[in-house]
Amino acid sequence: SSELTQDPAVSVALGQTVRITCQGDSLRSYYASWYQQKPGQAPVLVIYGKNNRPSGIPDRFSGSSSGNTASLTITGAQAEDEADYYCNSRDSSGNHRFGGGTKLTVL
Amino acid sequence: EVQLVESGGGLVQPGRSLRLSCAASGFTFDDYAMHWVRQAPGKGLEWVSGISWNSGSIGYADSVKGRFTISRDNAKNSLYLQMNSLRAEDTALYYCAKDMGGTTVTFDYWGQGTLVTVSS
Repeated sequence: SSELTQDPAVSVALGQTVRITCQGDSLRSYYASWYQQKPGQAPVLVIYGKNNRPSGIPDRFSGSSSGNTASLTITGAQAEDEADYYCNSRDSSGNHRFGGGTKLTVL
Repeated sequence: EVQLVESGGGLVQPGRSLRLSCAASGFTFDDYAMHWVRQAPGKGLEWVSGISWNSGSIGYADSVKGRFTISRDNAKNSLYLQMNSLRAEDTALYYCAKDMGGTTVTFDYWGQGTLVTVSS
């Protein structure tokens, strides 16, 4: 399948660790990138490549990949991390594709 | 500072056309591929179209193929999306996004979006 599948919603207690996953066949060939989107705002890149953070992204955000699954891990989640998270990669035709998004709630 | 500013959105009737623009600054525009990504109200992100630095490679999502045309003017640091035969399901916030380049599959900068509403 050329789709990228994410859990619709995930919750985490403040200060705890959460993993958000993205599954798809294309992830065997391409790394995923991850975006954070808060209400009313444009998406912001948080992880790209094997495990790279753009300048300004806290080091509590990290990425990993195994087989057809990419993961975004937040170690020590903060209240400000509550947002929607999207993965992105390419499909079999070379076009870009986003996962359906995961709504992260920080309790 | 990288800036991407979209314009051209608005209310349009089904079947009509609209042209979106994205003005880029703060980076060497003709070094990078560019993309349009949309988000329907309350929904997720959908990649719409992308264009390489020299317009030599262009791609479209199946949902817009044959109706939308992406283009760029490197002399004007501008990206465009010509949208024809618009449908209600094209209603969305349309973002312009810069490709990071290299071997990554990454949009490193995004504009704030321009809203397109297709309704009679």
